[in-house]
Amino acid sequence: DIQMTQSPSSLSASVGDRVTVTCRASHSINSYLNWYQQKPGKAPKLLIYAASSLESGVPSRFSGSGSGTDFTLSISSLQPEDFATYYCQQSYSTPYTFGQGTKLGIK
Amino acid sequence: QVQLVQSGAEVKKTGASVKVSCKASGYTFTGHYLHWVRQAPGQGLEWMGWINPSSGASNYVQKFQGRVAMTRDTSITTAYMELSGLRSDDTAIYYCARLISMGTFDYWGQGTLVTVSS
Repeated sequence: DIQMTQSPSSLSASVGDRVTVTCRASHSINSYLNWYQQKPGKAPKLLIYAASSLESGVPSRFSGSGSGTDFTLSISSLQPEDFATYYCQQSYSTPYTFGQGTKLGIK
Repeated sequence: QVQLVQSGAEVKKTGASVKVSCKASGYTFTGHYLHWVRQAPGQGLEWMGWINPSSGASNYVQKFQGRVAMTRDTSITTAYMELSGLRSDDTAIYYCARLISMGTFDYWGQGTLVTVSS
């Protein structure tokens, strides 16, 4: 199975900050990497697919990059609604696996 | 618009079975695989497996083999996930999610909380 490791597990930031979350795969997954946002009590929401493609309707302050084993999710200017937990997911091979999550909190 | 609407919360005894439904609408039901993902309280996301609504074929992660069955009824565009031999560590929110290209889950159900207690 491909292991996905996110860092950091949590971070605190302020509105307007730029933040970056990283995700590392235990094996190369090409660009088969997706990012989801989850708010308390809600289902995950797709933000980025195929490592760098922005899902329709997602604000352009979100961006993704990387290929192979190392990936990043960036938020250029944090908004109040961005405080949530973020998960990466590899879809290169089954079993599909998720990172452990990064909880983004308000500083 | 695409919607996945799941059945309501369940409370089950240890050793019992639970069957969660996922009603799809707003798209061609047989055109996309449906996957099931669970999330234990305060924990991350765990992929369980998939069903092909067109053929009925399914595939499960090894840890659930023998305990899980994913089925569908195309006449009512509904998929089901049945988990048997419930244990306390099966307490979780269970989600169905639609698969599109590149293994991406673009729509998710609202989740079904399954609580297992003795």
